[in-house]
Amino acid sequence: SQTIHQWPATLVQPVGSPLSLECTVEGTSNPNLYWYRQAAGRGLQLLFYSVGIGQISSEVPQNLSASRPQDRQFILSSKKLLLSDSGFYLCAWTSGYEQYFGPGTRLTVT
Amino acid sequence: GQNIDQPTEMTATEGAIVQINCTYQTSGFNGLFWYQQHAGEAPTFLSYNVLDGLEEKGRFSSFLSRSKGYSYLLLKELQMKDSASYLCAVEGYGGSQGNLIFGKGTKLSVKP
Repeated sequence: SQTIHQWPATLVQPVGSPLSLECTVEGTSNPNLYWYRQAAGRGLQLLFYSVGIGQISSEVPQNLSASRPQDRQFILSSKKLLLSDSGFYLCAWTSGYEQYFGPGTRLTVT
Repeated sequence: GQNIDQPTEMTATEGAIVQINCTYQTSGFNGLFWYQQHAGEAPTFLSYNVLDGLEEKGRFSSFLSRSKGYSYLLLKELQMKDSASYLCAVEGYGGSQGNLIFGKGTKLSVKP
């Protein structure tokens, strides 16, 4: 069966520090992968999606970047965090029409 | 523009039926999804509608009217564990398959 992992589960980082969140998927090959952010009082917002290794599309301009160095690995990064980057970050993949979410990383920027 | 509207909060009684509405305006339509999200957890898939009509899955049903840009999620025989946020999402045209536009969610509180 397919599973999706994210780490860390929670993270507290100061403003201006770098960020690296990792997502890995098991049990499938060549999945479409997605990064979402859920900020307090807002809906899930799609940040990036990837249809294959090295292929990244950004949905909104922002302080973040994404990379896909391996087929089942998706990384979200920032060089300098802003307060507005705080939120619940979710990685997801699609199987047919269903989209499955990882457990998420709760990021607090102080 | 792209817009998905759903009520912010709803309250219902254990054992009752509740209907959560969702209206959408998107550039294209490839399907409508409902997700359940308990506090502090990731969303879990509930239903998918791409054609007009009602899809039933156990205690949960979802309805779609594409001409009206309208959907609802119907929860029957409510249980305390159904207290959660319910997210409506639409897959529009363009981009990659699976690019979902989410509403802000409806927080449902089930009371005894």
